[in-house]
This record gives sequence, C-alpha cells and structure tokens, in this order.
Amino acid sequence: DAGVTQSPTHLIKTRGQQVTLRCSPKSGHDTVSWYQQALGQGPQFIFQYYEEEERQRGNFPDRFSGHQFPNYSSELNVNALLLGDSALYLCASSLGPGKETQYFGPGTRLLVL
Amino acid sequence: EDQVTQSPEALRLQEGESSSLNCSYTVSGLRGLFWYRQDPGKGPEFLFTLYSAGEEKEKERLKATLTKKESFLHITAPKPEDSATYLCAVQAKNNNAGNMLTFGGGTRLMVKP
Repeated sequence: DAGVTQSPTHLIKTRGQQVTLRCSPKSGHDTVSWYQQALGQGPQFIFQYYEEEERQRGNFPDRFSGHQFPNYSSELNVNALLLGDSALYLCASSLGPGKETQYFGPGTRLLVL
Repeated sequence: EDQVTQSPEALRLQEGESSSLNCSYTVSGLRGLFWYRQDPGKGPEFLFTLYSAGEEKEKERLKATLTKKESFLHITAPKPEDSATYLCAVQAKNNNAGNMLTFGGGTRLMVKP
C-alpha cells in the first residue's frame, strides 16, 4: 500500500523565483492538505483540496496557490519567493475532508537564498 | 482562534525512565486530537486519535489520554529508538469545510542508553 509521496525531496531557489512542489496521496485517499514547517516549529496549515477545489485556507498570502488533479494528486506553487519561505513543506492526505486521520508524506525541503 | 501548547519543549530521559508529555489546547469544539511522531528531516508519523474526554489509546510503550483541556502522552520504560519529536494537533468541530490541523510546537524527546 503506497503511502503519501512528494517530489522533489530537496530544492534550492533564489529570492523572487517561483517553485512548484508535487504530492501524490495515499492509495484510496481523495483529500490533500499542505503544511509549512519552519525549523524547530510545528507544521502550519496552508490549504486543503477536495474534489479539485480549495476547501479551506490558512493564514498564508496568495503567493501560495495550489491545484488538485482528477487523480487526486496535488501541486503547491509559491511565487516571488522570500527568504522566510525556507521550510519543510509537508503534504498530508485523508479519506474525505471530515474527521478522518491525515497521513503525511516525507516532505520537500525548500531553501531560498 | 484554536491554540495548542506543548510542554516541555525538550525532555531528556534515561532508558527505562518513564515520563509524560503534555498538550494543552483551546478549540471551538473539539472534533479530534491527534498525536504524531516526527524523526529529523522526515514527515510526521501518525500515532493516535482521541475524540472525547476520558478516552485512552495505547501502542507499545505509548499511552495517550484526553481531558477537556489537555492530553498526555505517557511513555513507559522508553528505549533510545523512542527518541523523536512528538507533535500534538487538534481539529475543530466547526471546520465544516475541511479538517485542518492546528499543531503545537512539539516536544523533542531524547532517550539515552
């Protein structure tokens, strides 16, 4: 049973650039959430996708955008990168947007120089 | 606004020395409280979900309990392989649009042989 997968594992960008991160949910899951985790802190919710629509959004600027595809996979796009965007970006999947448990992928480590 | 506070921030134990980690929360109606384990540079690994006060869950050397204001993760006779960061997160009942998690800052546990 394949778990949540993310690509790439690591990424280095410079300020002002744009980046796209990818996530494939756990087999059978249809809901994908994205979180940002700064070093030494807990994850912070960015947004959630279900039925190819953004269903819920955290306190992140609209530089952060996303997409969900018909096969339930998802992308996170960040425009005009800032140094403060350096973090571990985590994707989590669940069966529906209800109270079901979210399972996390290994994350993508983004470094902005 | 939902809030989660974990204590202590860091905990050093000798192998076999039992202890407890605390998670205090305020939420507008609790749908669920989640415990995750996170190893350095990896994504959080699901441990437990608790839904109502008085509920308890156990897995090997770990036991999670829940009251109306806090949750405890009890670690009995820990081993060095239990060393990790333990994350607590809550899901609010009023999140009808989705199931975002609000995380605490985590407790970094180190178990020395």
